[in-house]
Amino acid sequence: DGGITQSPKYLFRKEGQNVTLSCEQNLNHDAMYWYRQDPGQGLRLIYYSQIVNDFQKGDIAEGYSVSREKKESFPLTVTSAQKNPTAFYLCASTGARGSPLHFGNGTRLTVT
Amino acid sequence: AQSVTQLGSHVSVSEGALVLLRCNYSSSVPPYLFWYVQYPNQGLQLLLKYTSAATLVKGINGFEAEFKKSETSFHLTKPSAHMSDAAEYFCAVSDGSGGYNKLIFGAGTRLAVHP
Repeated sequence: DGGITQSPKYLFRKEGQNVTLSCEQNLNHDAMYWYRQDPGQGLRLIYYSQIVNDFQKGDIAEGYSVSREKKESFPLTVTSAQKNPTAFYLCASTGARGSPLHFGNGTRLTVT
Repeated sequence: AQSVTQLGSHVSVSEGALVLLRCNYSSSVPPYLFWYVQYPNQGLQLLLKYTSAATLVKGINGFEAEFKKSETSFHLTKPSAHMSDAAEYFCAVSDGSGGYNKLIFGAGTRLAVHP
């Protein structure tokens, strides 16, 4: 079955460490996205990519970095510069303008 | 700039009662509109979408939504709530600019269904 795989589901890190969240899709979608979800705030866009080797900042890109070396993969690195990294992170993809986003099951990151 | 407002962060209904979740949007161009549902610790699942065809859109699990341009609204309804409908619901808007969707989400409405 086609879909989006995010791993791991739960991730724990110490403050000051960088951490990379994985996102893989086998839907042959061109566009991929990373959203951050906090209680009561909906989803906020971190980064998105419409094509391999190209990506754009979303609304809350500070403290995050991404790469898009392959169409199927869009990893997100949460750096030590992110002031409040504890959150639920969702990866999504879409194949055409006006089409809905398909979401992975998320990674819950806890930084202590 | 696009924006989405969901009225009511929490809605509680009895099993069998009407479900009404409100969504108002702001967009400078005809929008694409979506409703998603999220169960605890899971990703978002598409309920339905409006893409300028019929103004009344039917989705999965008995949900439907009506696009009203004059009111800039896209409210989600279900005639009879089921216990399994308890979840968080998100409305989202996109103007389709830049080639692909950049969805803007509302803050969400948590639906509780009680016996």
